[in-house]
Amino acid sequence: GAVVSQHPSRVICKSGTSVKIECRSLDFQATTMFWYRQFPKQSLMLMATSNEGSKATYEQGVEKDKFLINHASLTLSTLTVTSAHPEDSSFYICSARTGSEPGELFFGEGSRLTVL
Amino acid sequence: AQTVTQSQPEMSVQEAETVTLSCTYDTSESDYYLFWYKQPPSRQMILVIRQEAYKQQNATENRFSVNFQKAAKSFSLKISDSQLGDAAMYFCAYGQGAQKLVFGQGTRLTINP
Repeated sequence: GAVVSQHPSRVICKSGTSVKIECRSLDFQATTMFWYRQFPKQSLMLMATSNEGSKATYEQGVEKDKFLINHASLTLSTLTVTSAHPEDSSFYICSARTGSEPGELFFGEGSRLTVL
Repeated sequence: AQTVTQSQPEMSVQEAETVTLSCTYDTSESDYYLFWYKQPPSRQMILVIRQEAYKQQNATENRFSVNFQKAAKSFSLKISDSQLGDAAMYFCAYGQGAQKLVFGQGTRLTINP
């Protein structure tokens, strides 16, 4: 199957700082990537859809100025949590489609963010 | 909007036995896809099985099979000969074309040795 790599897997930062998480499709080109957030023992909540070369589409209730998404190339999307606060601590997961398996998403390993 | 419901927050089964996880969904569309994803303690989401809505035949992948009831909008997962490595969170998901996947709440499966 297709490989999606996410980095870093774990990050700890101080309140008020910004953190960038990278999502790469290693063996395919992804025109669209999806960013999910997962709270402990809960399901995946879609935050935004990242489109290569255009602005991301954010889900209702997600602050686009806090969660900046950039999809500058067909293999890389980044999520920047700006001015992070403890309530932003969570597990963030990116995913992408190859286009050859209709509907199916391939997921990165996820990034655990802890804001002190 | 499409919704996916998993009514079993937790399930447990004896090793080597069979367990069925339930999933229902709501959609007005006729062409879509359904998935079961597994999330082990490593948190990496892994595809278990997929079903195209236009196919009447239930999908099967080794010990994993589904019971797809399109009219009832039901999509259950059966795991046969359960193994310790099957212990994980299982998420049912609905997808349509290039759109986002909608996930259910998840079912935590425990395998008792």
